[in-house]
Amino acid sequence: NAGVMQNPRHLVRRRGQEARLRCSPMKGHSHVYWYRQLPEEGLKFMVYLQKENIIDESGMPKERFSAEFPKEGPSILRIQQVVRGDSAAYFCASSLDRGLGNTIYFGEGSWLTVV
Amino acid sequence: DQQVKQNSPSLSVQEGRISILNCDYTNSMFDYFLWYKKYPAEGPTFLISISSIKDKNEDGRFTVFLNKSAKHLSLHIVPSQPGDSAVYFCAAEPRNTDKLIFGTGTRLQVFP
Repeated sequence: NAGVMQNPRHLVRRRGQEARLRCSPMKGHSHVYWYRQLPEEGLKFMVYLQKENIIDESGMPKERFSAEFPKEGPSILRIQQVVRGDSAAYFCASSLDRGLGNTIYFGEGSWLTVV
Repeated sequence: DQQVKQNSPSLSVQEGRISILNCDYTNSMFDYFLWYKKYPAEGPTFLISISSIKDKNEDGRFTVFLNKSAKHLSLHIVPSQPGDSAVYFCAAEPRNTDKLIFGTGTRLQVFP
């Protein structure tokens, strides 16, 4: 897991507030993925981004969720008007190239709690 | 629909014995299968993978077996060590995509 940095590690938000989760990929990696793990479930793919481009957002909820990976700076996963059901662990991963799961390195996760 | 299933939520094994973790899948369009290990409050760590054209891959104490006709794969850990105690996730990579489909995990406990 070394190298993919996520912050904050823990975030508490009240219902209706906004949550911003940041991910800095490993050095030299330009591919970023976001996954969500709900309690007692496996990780679910949300979105795959390359610098300044969203490549696959098929796992993103249609509303309130957005992601970006700007030319400079970390990738941001933004959740607007959070609800209790958004409480989960959000994992970012990065890779040097496309494809092959064994080249994907995960960060330690950001735990969001909505109260 | 759960395309990757881990039907055993937990497994308890004595140190030194073999641990066998199982995974079933429903989609024939997976190119690669992977196993990840996860400790509490940490991200998943890649363990071992297998291409859909192979039936076995071995790396040290870890061996993954793929039975395509049964749509089943398994991870063997031998000998099991207390440090192996963690949650193990099976994952599959669909063809022509950049996403992983994860199972729900199996919690392995290795006791002395």
